[in-house]
Amino acid sequence: AQSVTQLDSQVPVFEEAPVELRCNYSSSVSVYLFWYVQYPNQGLQLLLKYLSGSTLVKGINGFEAEFNKSQTSFHLRKPSVHISDTAEYFCAVTFNSGNTPLVFGKGTRLSVIA
Amino acid sequence: EAGVAQSPRYKIIEKRQSVAFWCNPISGHATLYWYQQILGQGPKLLIQFQNNGVVDDSQLPKDRFSAERLKGVDSTLKIQPAKLEDSAVYLCASSPKGIYEQYFGPGTRLTVT
Repeated sequence: AQSVTQLDSQVPVFEEAPVELRCNYSSSVSVYLFWYVQYPNQGLQLLLKYLSGSTLVKGINGFEAEFNKSQTSFHLRKPSVHISDTAEYFCAVTFNSGNTPLVFGKGTRLSVIA
Repeated sequence: EAGVAQSPRYKIIEKRQSVAFWCNPISGHATLYWYQQILGQGPKLLIQFQNNGVVDDSQLPKDRFSAERLKGVDSTLKIQPAKLEDSAVYLCASSPKGIYEQYFGPGTRLTVT
């Protein structure tokens, strides 16, 4: 069965500092990977996705992630964070063809400190 | 393009009462999902529809939860009777056929007292 582990439940970081949110997955088949962001009292918004091709994926709001098959990881990075990046971030995986449910990690709370 | 709509946004009920949530997916999206997000956890699938047919309801507590998607568009999720542990955010998502990413609504926050 597929599973996702987000290694940090909370990550505090100062404004304009770089940040990395870690995500590892477990799957016996090919996977498709996503990062979603959730602002307070809102639904989930897609940040970026890896389906195939280049292992470095760029998303919205200056975020990027790198797919590492050998380490089964898909870490999210941003070189310089802003106060507005404070939110909950979820890593998710699906497999096989499209229209299959997402399996989510427990989330990482990013708190940007002024 | 309008996003996924959900209502109500918030609901407070007492245990053993009934509650229903409504979802209107993005126009043309064949697949609709209901997820339950308990505080401090990631969303977990409750049920998946393809058009108006159920694809996966293996995680749905069928003794108290039910869902339907009439005419392959809007969907309702019902809980009857509610328990304290049902307190969560209920998220609806939709996706076009053959597409991996899902588009989420704002969710309904349910508090059972």
